[in-house]
Amino acid sequence: AQKVTQAQTEISVVEKEDVTLDCVYETRDTTYYLFWYKQPPSGELVFLIRRNSFDEQNEISGRYSWNFQKSTSSFNFTITASQVVDSAVYFCALTVRGGADGLTFGKGTHLIIQP
Amino acid sequence: GAVVSQHPSWVICKSGTSVKIECRSLDFQATTMFWYRQFPKQSLMLMATSNEGSKATYEQGVEKDKFLINHASLTLSTLTVTSAHPEDSSFYICSARDRRTGQHFKPQHFGDGTRLSIL
Repeated sequence: AQKVTQAQTEISVVEKEDVTLDCVYETRDTTYYLFWYKQPPSGELVFLIRRNSFDEQNEISGRYSWNFQKSTSSFNFTITASQVVDSAVYFCALTVRGGADGLTFGKGTHLIIQP
Repeated sequence: GAVVSQHPSWVICKSGTSVKIECRSLDFQATTMFWYRQFPKQSLMLMATSNEGSKATYEQGVEKDKFLINHASLTLSTLTVTSAHPEDSSFYICSARDRRTGQHFKPQHFGDGTRLSIL
């Protein structure tokens, strides 16, 4: 069975601060896929990134960056120079078997960016 | 591309009625669709996996007689909440697995979800 832990239930920062959301995962599969999703108050899931277990290269996309470390089973997400529009719930998720199974989600981190 | 349409987006109904939620992949075929449930301020939990032309596979603790899933075509899966009660009030969201892409991985694309309120 897979498990995803997001220990931070809620984070509140002031606009323009950098913030890191933590994600720790557990799986016995050697091939797996990790995701980050954003869920604004309207409810829809916004896909942010997918990372394969065999690709540990970190990624940067604008103000977003992701740090994948297999040695610590972590896949952390950093927002640089946060903005009010970044306020949302962020979910880390995991799947195995090429996505044939559903996603296992963490409990989510509610990020509040104060102006 | 890869759009998933979920309908309705919001439904309010009386206790005891049945509610049907549709999940359609608009521009791709999906042999597999997934249904998730999210209670307020909680995570998304997989309810069931729906495979076209076969019976759905339900996760432990999900009543298959209460949550009827039909996946009659490669672009449509439906979830029917039978004899709904207030405790069934939740956010239901589907995803469709794109059969076209990727040799080792086929992505899931999510619908926008359905907020179900049972009075």
